[in-house]
Amino acid sequence: SQQGEEDPQALSIQEGENATMNCSYKTSINNLQWYRQNSGRGLVHLILIRSNEREKHSGRLRVTLDTSKKSSSLLITASRAADTASYFCATGRSEKLVFGKGTKLTVNP
Amino acid sequence: DGGITQSPKYLFRKEGQNVTLSCEQNLNHDAMYWYRQDPGQGLRLIYYSQIVNDFQKGDIAEGYSVSREKKESFPLTVTSAQKNPTAFYLCASSPRQAIETQYFGPGTRLLVL
Repeated sequence: SQQGEEDPQALSIQEGENATMNCSYKTSINNLQWYRQNSGRGLVHLILIRSNEREKHSGRLRVTLDTSKKSSSLLITASRAADTASYFCATGRSEKLVFGKGTKLTVNP
Repeated sequence: DGGITQSPKYLFRKEGQNVTLSCEQNLNHDAMYWYRQDPGQGLRLIYYSQIVNDFQKGDIAEGYSVSREKKESFPLTVTSAQKNPTAFYLCASSPRQAIETQYFGPGTRLLVL
């Protein structure tokens, strides 16, 4: 079962702009993670935020978590063409990590 | 170099044939996973193993089988019972628990002839 749902499904922006992706989930979680996938490749872990954290930063990435709304957002600042990829949220609960369907981000040069 | 390797990169299966996808890791991780990804979709868990000689079914285990005889290796067999095997298969590992950060291999694309 897929718990996380990303929004929007696709996002197209210009280089230098910020990109924001959202993830909503349905049940309580231990943590929420964001992964990136370049076309035809494996996933790469970006950031993990625990259920008792509200915000986390890593370089140009900012993740927020609102457990009362069961939602998270990933902000990529000053985007680059190399950020073009699909971004997935994954919710950690019990013994499994459950992935959403992803947001496809295109950054135009 | 530490990491996860998957082979082959592309695999073709004939009707009624079993095929095996390889996954090896040298990260000394206890847990390993197999996911299936269909176009435009997220990842669905096929099987996972948290310790050698033990594994559990995921959400879509029917038509697949696995073994975990060594810590480093977690091969996936797609059997003839899997009627729609065309997909991108991803192997991952984590130090212990599934809810920790998972490290992914490059994937194997399986196509049916």
